[in-house]
Amino acid sequence: QITLKESGPTLVKPTQTLTLTCTFSGFTLSTSGVGVGWIRQPPGKALEWLALIYWDDDKRYSPSLKSRLTVTKDTSKNQVVLTMTNMDPVDTATYYCAHRYNWNYFDYWGQGTLVTVSS
Amino acid sequence: EIVLTQSPGTLSLSPGERATLSCRASQSFSSSYLAWYQQKPGQAPRLLIYGASSRATGIPDRFSGSGSGTDFTLTISRLEPEDFAVYYCHQYGSSPFTFGGGTKVEIK
Repeated sequence: QITLKESGPTLVKPTQTLTLTCTFSGFTLSTSGVGVGWIRQPPGKALEWLALIYWDDDKRYSPSLKSRLTVTKDTSKNQVVLTMTNMDPVDTATYYCAHRYNWNYFDYWGQGTLVTVSS
Repeated sequence: EIVLTQSPGTLSLSPGERATLSCRASQSFSSSYLAWYQQKPGQAPRLLIYGASSRATGIPDRFSGSGSGTDFTLTISRLEPEDFAVYYCHQYGSSPFTFGGGTKVEIK
């Protein structure tokens, strides 16, 4: 059974760096074709894809946020970490991590974690 | 970047009625890489359809997907009370992966 869970701060100040961790089970990021992505959703708004890391450490980023994002993996801990620098109130959103296999859709999602950016 | 535009923004229907949701892409892409998700308040998105027309595991057959090129459709043949939610289309064939703006299906 595949599960994912996001963790990290619920409140960050403007200009700070956000670090979120996705801890998963039921699969390993060392398996060929596996990827973990990050997607966010501002309150009342649509989903926005942010980043994706593959089993082979290939990484993809949203062009509009690429300069602020870094995604890394720790295969031994079954974790993926997303960092986003220079946070702004417009970055207030629920952040989700999700599983992807063989260049397919995101099939399993975490419950999401709400991050508020405010001074 | 492939921009996905969903219409209408809101669909007001009664239980038992048919719902037709549209997703239009800014450029043509393979239908193999189009998915639909359902999202209810406070919940993560739930995969309904992948490859434009294949139902995900456990999805009732009242949900169907169709389309190709730049025009895709999600149809709910007879709305059940639990189907009132927001629906998103998503292209996953080429980075950057994108989502549509969503269609809210509300009770009339």
